[in-house]
Amino acid sequence: GDSVTQMEGPVTLSEEAFLTINCTYTATGYPSLFWYVQYPGEGLQLLLKATKADDKGSNKGFEATYRKETTSFHLEKGSVQVSDSAVYFCALAHSGGGADGLTFGKGTHLIIQP
Amino acid sequence: GAVVSQHPSRVICKSGTSVKIECRSLDFQATTMFWYRQFPKKSLMLMATSNEGSKATYEQGVEKDKFLINHASLTLSTLTVTSAHPEDSSFYICSATRGEAFFGQGTRLTVV
Repeated sequence: GDSVTQMEGPVTLSEEAFLTINCTYTATGYPSLFWYVQYPGEGLQLLLKATKADDKGSNKGFEATYRKETTSFHLEKGSVQVSDSAVYFCALAHSGGGADGLTFGKGTHLIIQP
Repeated sequence: GAVVSQHPSRVICKSGTSVKIECRSLDFQATTMFWYRQFPKKSLMLMATSNEGSKATYEQGVEKDKFLINHASLTLSTLTVTSAHPEDSSFYICSATRGEAFFGQGTRLTVV
């Protein structure tokens, strides 16, 4: 079956540091890939997505590139802020918007210190 | 963006009782909603797909008689945990899709 593996947290960085959260997946066919973010006390929100190989999703300074050859979708940001502190989930779906349900990684808790 | 509201956010119940969790799409109609469960330090696991006007579709290993799902209208799905036991304690999250998946805030269930 499908699975998503992402790096364990918590990840603690200083403000303005470079961020990478690794994500790899196992799936049949050509899934769509997503990053969701969950801020304290809130529901999951879509951060970015990519629907085919070599696509790059980007939003709020975050980027991730769909790499089919390495089955990866690593999340990056050049300069993190305290407000980026949250839990980040990598996910995949076999429909573009997750209309058939999503398979999630375990989540990575990111802590940004001033 | 679209909003999905989940209620309650936290509930504590006694072992053997039932608990109902509501998931509402506030500004769109959702013929399909999803229920997920998250154990500590584990992935969100899809439990079931809730279909308006028909029976829910459960993932393998999820007891349909334990986790009753009712999708009575295009904006409301409910998950009832029946005869709850401490092992049912978990974080339950719903989602509804309109182009993309929108998630509720989640419900922390503690069974004592």
